[in-house]
Amino acid sequence: GAGVSQSPRYKVAKRGQDVALRCDPISGHVSLFWYQQALGQGPEFLTYFQNEAQLDKSGLPSDRFFAERPEGSVSTLKIQRTQQEDSAVYLCASSGRDRGVWTEAFFGQGTRLTVV
Amino acid sequence: AQSVTQLDSHVSVSEGTPVLLRCNYSSSYSPSLFWYVQHPNKGLQLLLKYTSAATLVKGINGFEAEFKKSETSFHLTKPSAHMSDAAEYFCVVSLGGSYIPTFGRGTSLIVHP
Repeated sequence: GAGVSQSPRYKVAKRGQDVALRCDPISGHVSLFWYQQALGQGPEFLTYFQNEAQLDKSGLPSDRFFAERPEGSVSTLKIQRTQQEDSAVYLCASSGRDRGVWTEAFFGQGTRLTVV
Repeated sequence: AQSVTQLDSHVSVSEGTPVLLRCNYSSSYSPSLFWYVQHPNKGLQLLLKYTSAATLVKGINGFEAEFKKSETSFHLTKPSAHMSDAAEYFCVVSLGGSYIPTFGRGTSLIVHP
């Protein structure tokens, strides 16, 4: 597609429920990033993939958070046993090479997760 | 290591007056720098980027920014604010290549009629 697509746009989960958030990056982009944006804050880095390899997961807040990108394109962020503090907008971004130069990160619209 | 500091959490201007949003960065290497804008309930949109070419960068909607290595700054300016400029602005730093963009905390621009 023309841009980064995230689904669902909105998700309401009951505390303790597992959720899965999907990201479709721009076709051909090798780098994929997940961020968490709490209300009134800037995006905070969660994890980074280059193709299917997860090169950095230092920002994942706990072992309840898990991300994968098995075929180097679509990525899924999974949150197990959701808690109220997980309520935030989850942003996905991708970047790639354009004539040998890395592009900026292109962001999706985000998934707004509300845990009740 | 890299980081970015946005010096103001809120900036308030009158329509038609100049805008200045301040950003200082810290980076071990020559950085790439970006400004993104986020309107309420909208995605992040790139305003402009610096990637070691011209130090004065022009972006969309009349915004521009100047990279000053001696001051480690990348301030965003616009000569005349418009009501539609009211939004959250983020300064972002990366090291280039297979980088991880690091965000500032954001500056909320308020435009009064």
